[in-house]
Amino acid sequence: NAGVTQTPKFRILKIGQSMTLQCTQDMNHNYMYWYRQDPGMGLKLIYYSVGAGITDKGEVPNGYNVSRSTTEDFPLRLELAAPSQTSVYFCASTPHPGSNQPQHFGDGTRLSIL
Amino acid sequence: QQPVQSPQAVILREGEDAVINCSSSKALYSVHWYRQKHGEAPVFLMILLKGGEQKGHDKISASFNEKKQQSSLYLTASQLSYSGTYFCGTGRPYGNNRLAFGKGNQVVVIP
Repeated sequence: NAGVTQTPKFRILKIGQSMTLQCTQDMNHNYMYWYRQDPGMGLKLIYYSVGAGITDKGEVPNGYNVSRSTTEDFPLRLELAAPSQTSVYFCASTPHPGSNQPQHFGDGTRLSIL
Repeated sequence: QQPVQSPQAVILREGEDAVINCSSSKALYSVHWYRQKHGEAPVFLMILLKGGEQKGHDKISASFNEKKQQSSLYLTASQLSYSGTYFCGTGRPYGNNRLAFGKGNQVVVIP
């Protein structure tokens, strides 16, 4: 059971570079989420998707973009990397919108921007 | 609105008990509890829904107090494996299962 898979696990970027963080789930979950986690700050929602072709902003969307062309994949794109985007990024999924559904997290991508 | 978790950190010896809290300024509908070990992903523990139901996971249980707008997590007879940061996430009834996470309670269990 792969669950939620994120790649890469680690990445160092230079200021101004762009990159895509990949997230794939094999549980046929409709709902997917991107969070960032800064030290001591908990998880902040960046973007989420309720199904293929539908995405919406979370709390901290600035500087990021997402797309959802399939149920399985939910990539997160950083267009112009800034030091403030240094963080650990987690992707999560849940089968459907009920509040009694746990979120399944990937192992995270640790991103440093220098 | 981000829930407030307290205390920030707890150090306890193996076998001791501890209580950590998650408080919201808004009416609670659901509370999710996750545990995260250093360098790893958050792992789901349990969900409590409006109604005051108490749940358990091993010797970890939680309660939901609607009146106080608070959930408490009880670590009973703590084990070394309980060490980690515990996050609560609060949900809304029509929020697409969006959760607002607190900053976490760091728990360290020592031998």
